[in-house]
Amino acid sequence: GAVVSQHPSWVICKSGTSVKIECRSLDFQATTMFWYRQFPKQSLMLMATSNEGSKATYEQGVEKDKFLINHASLTLSTLTVTSAHPEDSSFYICSAQPGQHRAYGYTFGSGTRLTVV
Amino acid sequence: AQSVTQLGSHVSVSEGALVLLRCNYSSSVPPYLFWYVQYPNQGLQLLLKYTTGATLVKGINGFEAEFKKSETSFHLTKPSAHMSDAAEYFCAVSENNDMRFGAGTRLTVKP
Repeated sequence: GAVVSQHPSWVICKSGTSVKIECRSLDFQATTMFWYRQFPKQSLMLMATSNEGSKATYEQGVEKDKFLINHASLTLSTLTVTSAHPEDSSFYICSAQPGQHRAYGYTFGSGTRLTVV
Repeated sequence: AQSVTQLGSHVSVSEGALVLLRCNYSSSVPPYLFWYVQYPNQGLQLLLKYTTGATLVKGINGFEAEFKKSETSFHLTKPSAHMSDAAEYFCAVSENNDMRFGAGTRLTVKP
């Protein structure tokens, strides 16, 4: 089946530094990938849609300069949290659709727990 | 635009009892509906989905769900709960290659 690999699974960084999270589709090509943020005991909040070869589409209220997304190939999207602060601490999850039609649903990465100290 | 409502943020059942997790949706086009499960500090795993055809769909781990258009519902059930079913469950609807999630229901299974 379709697999999405997300790395790292957890990271601790100092306030003011930047952190990069990778999302890879291992056995399919993904022209579109999705980045979510999840607060404790809450649902997934869509942050942005990552499009291969073009700019990402950000949801309202998400700072594009804060959360840099790069989708340089059909199998890799990266999310960089720039100048991280404690309020950026969260669980970040990526996903991709392993087919052209929405009936495929999404395949999710295993998530990244970011802690900013 | 589509939306998903999960009734009950927390459901607790005894081991061996029926599991019922409720999901209602709204969609302007025929919906594609999904149930995902999330274990602590992990991503989401697909349990089952409805796209077209048979309205009763069976998924992994003994779960099933029935699409009821008249009730705009897609409730998730399992006849007999197991301790390993304790997790967070999310209902989702896909409209235009855009998936939206419900708030989630935390299932607790008591021994």
